Amino acid sequence: GAGVSQSPRYKVTKRGQDVALRCDPISGHVSLYWYRQALGQGPEFLTYFNYEAQQDKSGLPNDRFSAERPEGSISTLTIQRTEQRDSAMYRCASSPTGAYGYTFGSGTRLTVV
Amino acid sequence: GQQVMQIPQYQHVQEGEDFTTYCNSSTTLSNIQWYKQRPGGHPVFLIQLVKSGEVKKQKRLTFQFGEAKKNSSLHITATQTTDVGTYFCAVVTGNQFYFGTGTSLTVIP
Repeated sequence: GAGVSQSPRYKVTKRGQDVALRCDPISGHVSLYWYRQALGQGPEFLTYFNYEAQQDKSGLPNDRFSAERPEGSISTLTIQRTEQRDSAMYRCASSPTGAYGYTFGSGTRLTVV
Repeated sequence: GQQVMQIPQYQHVQEGEDFTTYCNSSTTLSNIQWYKQRPGGHPVFLIQLVKSGEVKKQKRLTFQFGEAKKNSSLHITATQTTDVGTYFCAVVTGNQFYFGTGTSLTVIP
């Protein structure tokens, strides 16, 4: 697509429920990052893919968080048994390779109530 | 882990005044990128610096990479209200892409 598309834009879920956040990067972009951004803060690294391979997941806060990119294009970030502290803006960014600037999606605002 | 500090955290300027934000790293960087995030928006890539001492310009914006490749600056000449937003530097270390703490710019008309 023309830009990085994330869905849903907003997600309100009850504590304890699982959520899946989707990122559709720019077509052909190799690198894909997931970030979490709290209000007034810079993006916080979560995980990184090159094609379908998850290169680094050290930023995932705990084992309730997981991500996949099975065909090297669309990626899904899954949060199991959500907690209130998971509430944040989750952003996805993609790049042709790691050597170029990243294009960010508009993000998914997750609210856990 | 990578430490990337930006100063100042906030800056209020009168329209027409200049503005500078600084990004400092604890380690030598291979490259540095700058992003702008408007209120309510997402980070937008501005530029990437790679070479020691590199200076790049985009209209009223001047980006500089330090000689030691540990710091960088973004300078805006004669700010306009359209410059409002948070400016982030971002550095790559291994596979991780770290963002600085950001400088929030307010331009008073």
